[in-house]
Amino acid sequence: EPEVTQTPSHQVTQMGQEVILRCVPISNHLYFYWYRQILGQKVEFLVSFYNNEISEKSEIFDDQFSVERPDGSNFTLKIRSTKLEDSAMYFCASSVAGSFYNEQFFGPGTRLTVL
Amino acid sequence: KNQVEQSPQSLIILEGKNCTLQCNYTVSPFSNLRWYKQDTGRGPVSLTIMTFSENTKSNGRYTATLDADTKQSSLHITASQLSDSASYICVVSANQGGKLIFGQGTELSVKP
Repeated sequence: EPEVTQTPSHQVTQMGQEVILRCVPISNHLYFYWYRQILGQKVEFLVSFYNNEISEKSEIFDDQFSVERPDGSNFTLKIRSTKLEDSAMYFCASSVAGSFYNEQFFGPGTRLTVL
Repeated sequence: KNQVEQSPQSLIILEGKNCTLQCNYTVSPFSNLRWYKQDTGRGPVSLTIMTFSENTKSNGRYTATLDADTKQSSLHITASQLSDSASYICVVSANQGGKLIFGQGTELSVKP
């Protein structure tokens, strides 16, 4: 069964450093998303991406964040200068275009630890 | 403000027993409501999805109900198994564009 994959599973970085989290969505999906979950808190929407542009973003997704689909398979989230409060689990999700339910399939997540 | 609230926060039940988890939401406009299961350290996995016109939907031992008038939903798990131990999250979609609004989850623990 096709699934969303994410790498790395765990990333440790120093405050102020740039990180890139990678995702490979399900191959025939055209909508892509990033969510984050700070330990003990709710999952929060960050951004949705379709047709090579951001379709919606939350207040969390400020100028420090960017997303890119550099090729036909990868979808990346870049944090330019990490802060301590960026420590969280980051989930990538994808969905099929045109689905009324817009069922989103989530990856296993990348745990980001900022020291 | 769009919010999804769940109760109880945590629940412990014995294997084989049934349980019901609750969800209240204030999300507008409303597109659909989902229940997800999230194992520790893993991504959420969809259990059911319902639109405003659907009152109930089943997926094996999971049955979700939706009352769009009172903006309440429940997830009923029958004949619980040890593998049901997980966080169950109520999620509402405000539009078909895809942004999902998550509840804080109910942590279910099934004991032998």
